Amino acid sequence: GQSLEQPSEVTAVEGAIVQINCTYQTSGFYGLSWYQQHDGGAPTFLSYNALDGLEETGRFSSFLSRSDSYGYLLLQELQMKDSASYFCAVPRSGAARQLTFGSGTQLTVLP
Amino acid sequence: SQTIHQWPATLVQPVGSPLSLECTVEGTSNPNLYWYRQAAGRGLQLLFYSVGIGQISSEVPQNLSASRPQDRQFILSSKKLLLSDSGFYLCACNRPDQETQYFGPGTRLLVL
Repeated sequence: GQSLEQPSEVTAVEGAIVQINCTYQTSGFYGLSWYQQHDGGAPTFLSYNALDGLEETGRFSSFLSRSDSYGYLLLQELQMKDSASYFCAVPRSGAARQLTFGSGTQLTVLP
Repeated sequence: SQTIHQWPATLVQPVGSPLSLECTVEGTSNPNLYWYRQAAGRGLQLLFYSVGIGQISSEVPQNLSASRPQDRQFILSSKKLLLSDSGFYLCACNRPDQETQYFGPGTRLLVL
């Protein structure tokens, strides 16, 4: 089976940097994805790491260490609009590529 | 890029009534399609997925069923709703060669 662990809540102030961690257990590993979901909205894709290392996209970066079964999402220069839930996810093997999601981390950005 | 349409946006239904939620996809052919349910403040639970027309796989035993009558159409149904069917229903798709899933706007279902 597959399981992912991430913190349930994180709070930070505007302009700060925050890191959301995700550890996973999978029977086969293909990569780690991150999604953002604002209250009442649908999840949107942020990043995907298949290889070890850091991937940067603007203010957001995502890191993966396959040997540690660990990844994180790094958000820099936090803005109020970054307040949302963030989910890590891993795909399963097979043609359907189903995703197993973590339970989500609620990020609150304070002024 | 893919666009996913879902309707209705909000639905209030009495217990025991039937349900039909529709999802259509634009901008890609032969997508993988998924139905998720999300309880308030919780993660996403995969309900059904489909790799092609008429091919449906169920993730969890439940009161719901799914159908894929056309390549880019995915329908979630129930004959008799239960209170526990309340939730936020999300349709998603991806190209078979990609990991990224794209989500529709969702349907918020309240069963009373």
